[in-house]
Amino acid sequence: QSALTQPRSVSGSPGQSVTISCSGTSSDVGGYNSVSWYQQRPGKAPKLIIYDVSERPSGVPDRFSASKSGNTASLTISGLQAEDEADYYCCSYAASSYVFGTGSKVTVL
Amino acid sequence: EVQLVESGGGLVQPGRSLRLSCEASGFAFDDYAMYWVRQAPEKGLEWVSGISWNSVGVGYADSVKGRFTISRDNAKNSLYLQMNSLRGDDTALYYCAKASRSSGDMDWFDSWGQGTLVIVSS
Repeated sequence: QSALTQPRSVSGSPGQSVTISCSGTSSDVGGYNSVSWYQQRPGKAPKLIIYDVSERPSGVPDRFSASKSGNTASLTISGLQAEDEADYYCCSYAASSYVFGTGSKVTVL
Repeated sequence: EVQLVESGGGLVQPGRSLRLSCEASGFAFDDYAMYWVRQAPEKGLEWVSGISWNSVGVGYADSVKGRFTISRDNAKNSLYLQMNSLRGDDTALYYCAKASRSSGDMDWFDSWGQGTLVIVSS
C-alpha cells in the first residue's frame, strides 16, 4: 500500500491551465477505473471533486477535468482561479483497500 | 444535508487505547459504506479503514491491521473506530467519510466530517 506519486507542487497564473499527475501501479490506478480526486483548503476537510476517473459531482466547476492512462491518472484545472489554491489528492481503489496520493499543492501566482 | 461529526479524540499515551465515534445525519446511514481517513500533522491523507453497510465487509490499512477495529451501529447512525496499542505515528486528525455505495468496493468519499485529533505521546 505505497502512496501514489504526485508532484509536490504545481503553480500557474490566473486563467492558465495546470495538470497534476498521479502515478501508481497495475495494482491500483492501472487495475481499476476507480480514481477520485479531492481538494483540501487550509484547515478544512477534503472535498470530492472527481470520481470514477473523470466524473464531476454536481456543483464542481467544469474547469476541473480528469483522465487516466495506464498506471497514471491526471487532474487538469483550466482557467485557474485564486480560489483553486489548495492541496489536491488523488485516491485509487486497490482491492479491498484504498490508497491516496502524496498530495500536490496548487499555487496561483 | 449530510453531516458527519467525529468525537473521541484526545491525548493518549503510547500503548493505550482510544475509541473514536462518528455521528451521521442527513442521509440513510444504513444504505452506505463508511470510512475512516487520517491525516498526520502537515502530512497527506491516509485511508485507515472501511466498513460496508451491513458490517459484513471490513478492511484495514496494513499500518493499523490487528490494532484498530471498525464498527457501526445503524440504529444509532454511528460509526466507530476502536484503536488499541496506539503508537506515535498514529498521531493524526481522523476523518469520518461517507461512501457513495453500500458495499465499499470501487468507491469514493463523497462527504467528510471535520475530524477529531488524536495525539499519541507520553
